[in-house]
Amino acid sequence: AQSVTQLGSHVSVSEGALVLLRCNYSSSVPPYLFWYVQYPNQGLQLLLKYTTGATLVKGINGFEAEFKKSETSFHLTKPSAHMSDAAEYFCAVTLGGGTSYGKLTFGQGTILTVHP
Amino acid sequence: ETGVTQSPTHLIKTRGQQVTLRCSSQSGHNTVSWYQQALGQGPQFIFQYYREEENGRGNFPPRFSGLQFPNYSSELNVNALELDDSALYLCASSWRVGTGTYEQYFGPGTRLTVT
Repeated sequence: AQSVTQLGSHVSVSEGALVLLRCNYSSSVPPYLFWYVQYPNQGLQLLLKYTTGATLVKGINGFEAEFKKSETSFHLTKPSAHMSDAAEYFCAVTLGGGTSYGKLTFGQGTILTVHP
Repeated sequence: ETGVTQSPTHLIKTRGQQVTLRCSSQSGHNTVSWYQQALGQGPQFIFQYYREEENGRGNFPPRFSGLQFPNYSSELNVNALELDDSALYLCASSWRVGTGTYEQYFGPGTRLTVT
């Protein structure tokens, strides 16, 4: 079974500051990892994903994440926050095959607030 | 390319009633998954359909059931509604080929309130 823990239910940054949202996972087999963003009253939008290959993945809107197997982490970063980044962010994991194929397990979410 | 759409956007039901939620997959996608997102929580996997057959189920009772149609649209049915069923229900579609990786594209959700 897999699980995801997002450290910090709320993160607040100033506009232009570094954004760091933390995600740790637990998986019995190599995982596929995702970050999604959810704006109020909307569905989830995929920011980026890691499946295999390069451990540093780049996504939309200037976000990137690094898969660190030794730390079982997949933290999301953005060098400079913008007001439009204010939203809720979800880290998710799935296994690459078998009966768990495609079933996303989500973390509890982190609400990002960006101050002017 | 049309994205994932869901209907209705909101609805209110009474405890004990039945409800049907609908999802139209993104064009070309053959897999649909349903998730329940309670207020302040991350989405929870309900079940997935691939080529009209259930392909895995989360920890939800049998009163949650689904269908996938030949055009890959889908329904989520919930019988005997309970207050705890109040949530945002998200549909996600994707393209699966063998064991190849794929991304899930989410619809805007249906907000269900049970009173």
